[in-house]
Order: sequence, then C-alpha cells, then structure tokens
Amino acid sequence: NAGVMQNPRHLVRRRGQEARLRCSPMKGHSHVYWYRQLPEEGLKFMVYLQKENIIDESGMPKERFSAEFPKEGPSILRIQQVVRGDSAAYFCASSPLQGDWPQHFGDGTRLSIL
Amino acid sequence: TQLLEQSPQFLSIQEGENLTVYCNSSSVFSSLQWYRQEPGEGPVLLVTVVTGGEVKKLKRLTFQFGDARKDSSLHITAAQPGDTGLYLCAGAKNAGNMLTFGGGTRLMVKP
Repeated sequence: NAGVMQNPRHLVRRRGQEARLRCSPMKGHSHVYWYRQLPEEGLKFMVYLQKENIIDESGMPKERFSAEFPKEGPSILRIQQVVRGDSAAYFCASSPLQGDWPQHFGDGTRLSIL
Repeated sequence: TQLLEQSPQFLSIQEGENLTVYCNSSSVFSSLQWYRQEPGEGPVLLVTVVTGGEVKKLKRLTFQFGDARKDSSLHITAAQPGDTGLYLCAGAKNAGNMLTFGGGTRLMVKP
C-alpha cells in the first residue's frame, strides 16, 4: 500500500507482555507518523517522528508507549505491559521532506491482546 | 469530541445513484485529504485539497474544499459496487504535521 511497509501484520500478545510494531517508510520519506484505529472508528494521531527525533508526541499515552525512528532501520512503536484496551489497528504513514502534506499509509498492524 | 465531523456515518445505496459525503469542522485547515480504506488495509489517498473553494475531480468523484477551508465534500456520481468502502477525511493544520481524521463514512453500494 503506497510502499510503506509495516510488520507484523497481525500480532497477538497476552496481557503484561510487550508489543513491538515496525514501520519502514517509503523510499525517500523522512517523516513518519503513527496512528491508532479502534474498530468502527477513524484514525487517531499518536506520534510524529523524523530520523532520530520525536517532533510531536501529543497523541501518545503518557505511560507504556514509546516510539523511535533511528538513523538506520525502521521506526518502532513499542507498547510495554499491554492491556486489553491496547487492542487496535496501528497504522504508520510517511511523507517526504517538509512542504509536502500528503501522507501515505501502510496496511497496519492488528494488535490483539488476550 | 471529533474536530472533523463526517456525515453520514453509514450510507447504503443502489448502483447508479449519486451521493455526497460531508466533512465539517469549526477549525481552519491548511489542507484536507480524502482517503478510502478497505477492510484489513490502510487508508489510500484519493485527493488533497489546499486552496479554499478548490474543486478536484477524480473520474466519478468530485471533491470540494470550502471557501473558509473548514469543510469539504465528496460527491460520487453513478455509484458502483466497487465504490463500497470506508471514506475518511483528514485535515492538516500545517505542512508536515499530524492529520486529524473524521470518524469516517461507511458506504455500501448494492448491485
């Protein structure tokens, strides 16, 4: 889907475990965004990153959630000590350098908490 | 509270009918994007509108951005079953910034 690669596509975790979601942006894109979508709802912004920098994390829960976009490798969204309410589809989007608004989305990671 | 309100939430129509989906806000956006999402997939960008009053056409789809850049509409002419899906509008306050999504309009077109 537009070249943004997310893995895994499906992830099952038990309560209390850690979940790691990975996102490789489109080639040439240096801006990465993470969104969460609950069933039958629209997407909610979580965090905006550029390489090695968190630009806006205003949508991230205060605890248990963290994100990074290292110099090399994919962006990682990490959820520690998962709870049932974390079950959702997590989407990553990327865009090119500044000045270009459209964001292109991956196909998401569906996280299920048992 | 949704900053972007989409209506209707659900729409079921017969093939060949026309429809309009609305996306309204009290906030001004620098751009507004429309996406379509299929089950199990990510949103796919349909169009970006930037200028107040702008109208863009994509085959049978017509997108309009309000003069004040607070609202937008998507009109589909002669809907087909292949148009079935979830349509999402999303606004950006600034370039390179987060998107605020509407709640979506779930469209079903019956043959």
